[in-house]
Amino acid sequence: GAGVSQSPSNKVTEKGKDVELRCDPISGHTALYWYRQSLGQGLEFLIYFQGNSAPDKSGLPSDRFSAERTGGSVSTLTIQRTQQEDSAVYLCASSLGGQGAYEQYFGPGTRLTVT
Amino acid sequence: KNEVEQSPQNLTAQEGEFITINCSYSVGISALHWLQQHPGGGIVSLFMLSSGKKKHGRLIATINIQEKHSSLHITASHPRDSAVYICAVGTSGSRLTFGEGTQLTVNP
Repeated sequence: GAGVSQSPSNKVTEKGKDVELRCDPISGHTALYWYRQSLGQGLEFLIYFQGNSAPDKSGLPSDRFSAERTGGSVSTLTIQRTQQEDSAVYLCASSLGGQGAYEQYFGPGTRLTVT
Repeated sequence: KNEVEQSPQNLTAQEGEFITINCSYSVGISALHWLQQHPGGGIVSLFMLSSGKKKHGRLIATINIQEKHSSLHITASHPRDSAVYICAVGTSGSRLTFGEGTQLTVNP
């Protein structure tokens, strides 16, 4: 079956512009996660959705970052007024449930470059 | 101190060698995950475990809850095993907390 998909795969944007990153989770997976991996760094949690609600958004680095999930499926991560430090690979993962106790399936990521 | 510590950071082995990567954590967990990230960047879940031992092909993962320690073993290593191996723990919230990863290179 289809895995987690993300679009675009690459995005180059100018500093100050807004960007939207999309994640399509595996059908039936109620939990959805956004992570970020900066160059040469480890993975960093951003936000977790259970259904359409986000019980944990504590990893969002600033109020320029927001995310939503609709229909318990597709999620969009929006970064407003992008800065160079936002350059990273943004990864989405989905799982059957939350609590970190279910296997997570990762998408291929979106590589964001802010020039 | 990070909540999840991995060792070694880098590991180079010859094809056929037995490899061990270690992970220690300092928080209560719901489960521990081992992930593999290939040079192209894709991440694959290898194991999720909360007790004991799991085996899949040449890969074995063990966890000791009392000692807050897990190991990932690769038997008969192969160049295609070259990747970054990441330990992550699920806690009472729903986030995963990640180790820094171990870069494994297996030479032919």
